[in-house]
Amino acid sequence: KAGVTQTPRYLIKTRGQQVTLSCSPISGHRSVSWYQQTPGQGLQFLFEYFSETQRNKGNFPGRFSGRQFSNSRSEMNVSTLELGDSALYLCASSLDWTGQGQSPLHFGNGTRLTVT
Amino acid sequence: GEDVEQSLFLSVREGDSSVINCTYTDSSSTYLYWYKQEPGAGLQLLTYIFSNMDMKQDQRLTVLLNKKDKHLSLRIADTQTGDSAIYFCAEWWGKLQFGAGTQVVVTP
Repeated sequence: KAGVTQTPRYLIKTRGQQVTLSCSPISGHRSVSWYQQTPGQGLQFLFEYFSETQRNKGNFPGRFSGRQFSNSRSEMNVSTLELGDSALYLCASSLDWTGQGQSPLHFGNGTRLTVT
Repeated sequence: GEDVEQSLFLSVREGDSSVINCTYTDSSSTYLYWYKQEPGAGLQLLTYIFSNMDMKQDQRLTVLLNKKDKHLSLRIADTQTGDSAIYFCAEWWGKLQFGAGTQVVVTP
């Protein structure tokens, strides 16, 4: 079974631009979560989508948004990029809505975003 | 809870056992997880334990949970060079809250 696939693997953008990252979950998984990983802040939760609805959201500004499609694939968008948005963005899928934590997250290899 | 705490670094000889420790914050956390991250890769789920368990064993991995002290540990038996990585513990309370990770270096 294929794992979580994230595209692209690397991105270089200029401050002020916007970017869209893509995530294909493991086949049969219906929930997708996004995390940001930086050396300074570690792993920070962005949001979770299940059945095309955002179920949970972290503490990020509105420039960070996402969506989920009917086939469970998800995209994350960051508008008006800032230098501090440079990070590894990780997508994770789980079989079901994470709810009480009983549905483990399986992560992709991430998209490395560099903002110059 | 804000801070899941882990020691930052562990050096271990090949063949020895490794023990990675973690202190979590929320006594109501239902599930606790261990993930492994190798350079340039995402997080690989190693194992997880439900909060009503004290121990879980999975091949070379043993997870111990002390709810009273909010302490979680991961023991890797017969540590191999391929076990060199960063190990994250995480607690679940509405979302996965990760520690800063423990860099494990396995020396021959």
